[in-house]
Amino acid sequence: DAGITQSPRHKVTETGTPVTLRCHQTENHRYMYWYRQDPGHGLRLIHYSYGVKDTDKGEVSDGYSVSRSKTEDFLLTLESATSSQTSVYFCAISESDGRDTQYFGPGTRLTVL
Amino acid sequence: AQKVTQAQTEISVVEKEDVTLDCVYETRDTTYYLFWYKQPPSGELVFLIRRNSFDEQNEISGRYSWNFQKSTSSFNFTITASQVVDSAVYFCALSEAGRGDYKLSFGAGTTVTVRA
Repeated sequence: DAGITQSPRHKVTETGTPVTLRCHQTENHRYMYWYRQDPGHGLRLIHYSYGVKDTDKGEVSDGYSVSRSKTEDFLLTLESATSSQTSVYFCAISESDGRDTQYFGPGTRLTVL
Repeated sequence: AQKVTQAQTEISVVEKEDVTLDCVYETRDTTYYLFWYKQPPSGELVFLIRRNSFDEQNEISGRYSWNFQKSTSSFNFTITASQVVDSAVYFCALSEAGRGDYKLSFGAGTTVTVRA
């Protein structure tokens, strides 16, 4: 199994508060991704990173920011959480770009009240 | 526009029956990659297979098999002699060059329930 951890695994927060989710990998893979999973939508890409300090937007990036200061860590921040951001968030890694297989972390269940 | 369509939302079968999951994709690229992932009730996402657009050979892995047909833009997945442990949500996904970054687009998933 790919060495990917996510923290926290579960979080309940209130509308308007900032939230940061962390993804940590031990595989030294170049690419890291954040997805959200919602019923009926499969997984949708929020942001991804192709190297330290190199990030780009996915299809549902509004309301989210990311940072990658080290190869092994990719942070997802909700600056001011809203109820529409209640979801399960998955981190994924791959050696190279989307042509390569992505391996997923265990997920973080976020509830915004 | 939906790039990956999994028309079957839910499938329920009795153990030992075969089950086929449909996946239809849409792309203008000649080079692309297709994937299947499994999400069991525990929630993790498990990689099953990766196939590039130039390899149309069908693949078999134990009870799992995949039928890739470029002519119909389909990449269907069959579980033979299903077991209760096959109960999961299965996702088909497409990676295409697009703007050159090969982002992965997922279908909405098919929930398979295998009854004992």
